Amino acid sequence: QQQVKQSPQSLIVQKGGISIINCAYENTAFDYFPWYQQFPGKGPALLIAIRPDVSEKKEGRFTISFNKSAKQFSLHIMDSQPGDSATYFCAADTGRRALTFGSGTRLQVQP
Amino acid sequence: GAVVSQHPSWVICKSGTSVKIECRSLDFQATTMFWYRQFPKQSLMLMATSNEGSKATYEQGVEKDKFLINHASLTLSTLTVTSAHPEDSSFYICSASNSGTSTDTQYFGPGTRLTVL
Repeated sequence: QQQVKQSPQSLIVQKGGISIINCAYENTAFDYFPWYQQFPGKGPALLIAIRPDVSEKKEGRFTISFNKSAKQFSLHIMDSQPGDSATYFCAADTGRRALTFGSGTRLQVQP
Repeated sequence: GAVVSQHPSWVICKSGTSVKIECRSLDFQATTMFWYRQFPKQSLMLMATSNEGSKATYEQGVEKDKFLINHASLTLSTLTVTSAHPEDSSFYICSASNSGTSTDTQYFGPGTRLTVL
């Protein structure tokens, strides 16, 4: 099973708040989990990525939490800003470097 | 570093014509490039994996004869949509992995908006 399930489909957060996006997978062969940010009309840009050997990774305001036993991972955006308003995609890779993307979450950060 | 470009950024063509989209890695060599397709407000769907000097590997349901992929060098892959029809209208995005590193990071191009009239 190659599917990666992402939720919520859309999210509205107040400026300064925490945005949380969740993903779940079935394929235990996945060993690389990146998150991408995409603005309208642009290609996705890598935000942060994690491997199953760690449970959490933080880069600036972005944190990935990874639960290997539950086959779930999430993105936390701390101190959300209006400039963070975009579509966020989780993804997973088995090592053949072909990404399977989640369905996307449209984040709107209100000022 | 790790910049991927695409050309053109948008194209409008008549039904039945062919359109070529270029994907270039500007500051690194990419043994493998990937082509994705994205419909409005939807996720990216992998179409094919392009390997330098060999035939592309297509995902199930993607027509090889309609979407021709050529990866002639370590910095250039092309996607040609042959005999395009309105249902081929979409946002086409390429990505590339840096063959000089051990990471799986993929760098995406800015995308090409194809509209078939």
